[in-house]
Amino acid sequence: NAGVTQTPKFRVLKTGQSMTLLCAQDMNHEYMYWYRQDPGMGLRLIHYSVGEGTTAKGEVPDGYNVSRLKKQNFLLGLESAAPSQTSVYFCASRTDSYQSLKYNSPLHFGNGTRLTVT
Amino acid sequence: KNEVEQSPQNLTAQEGEFITINCSYSVGISALHWLQQHPGGGIVSLFMLSSGKKKHGRLIATINIQEKHSSLHITASHPRDSAVYICAVREDSNYQLIWGAGTKLIIKP
Repeated sequence: NAGVTQTPKFRVLKTGQSMTLLCAQDMNHEYMYWYRQDPGMGLRLIHYSVGEGTTAKGEVPDGYNVSRLKKQNFLLGLESAAPSQTSVYFCASRTDSYQSLKYNSPLHFGNGTRLTVT
Repeated sequence: KNEVEQSPQNLTAQEGEFITINCSYSVGISALHWLQQHPGGGIVSLFMLSSGKKKHGRLIATINIQEKHSSLHITASHPRDSAVYICAVREDSNYQLIWGAGTKLIIKP
């Protein structure tokens, strides 16, 4: 199993350009998340999804959009990139099949996408 | 004040030393997670605990719910343990994860 796969691994954008980051998981997980990681800070949640066709805003959603048309894929879009969006982006997924640990199943992370906006 | 604080921020030690990384939090939680971020960037879950102690190989995680504190210990440390160790807590009021900023550990041979 590949687990959680993120593409691309690296990207450089000019201010105002758009792009989509793809996250794919092959573990049949219900929950998927997009985080950004900046130096000296903890991971910050951008958007998340609790199932196919549903998305919700996290802590820092502005400037990003997401879609989950298929259970295995969670896309993160930047419509008009800004230098403040320079960061490392991580996708994660987890199951909710542990009945007694519904909110505490382990997270599985992708390897990250390093995005630079100039 | 951050709701999840890790200490130290940076730790350098010699191979073989016993390592302790601390995590303190200020909210009610249902569980606490410890994760490891490799130098290449990948993040791996190490432990998830809500009480007591868990052990996996040379890694031991403990939690004291009353004191709102958890520790991650590494016995017989090795250079391959060099990584950033991240603490995260699942808040019990809204089930959101709150992340610590991480502790960067370097083990010198």
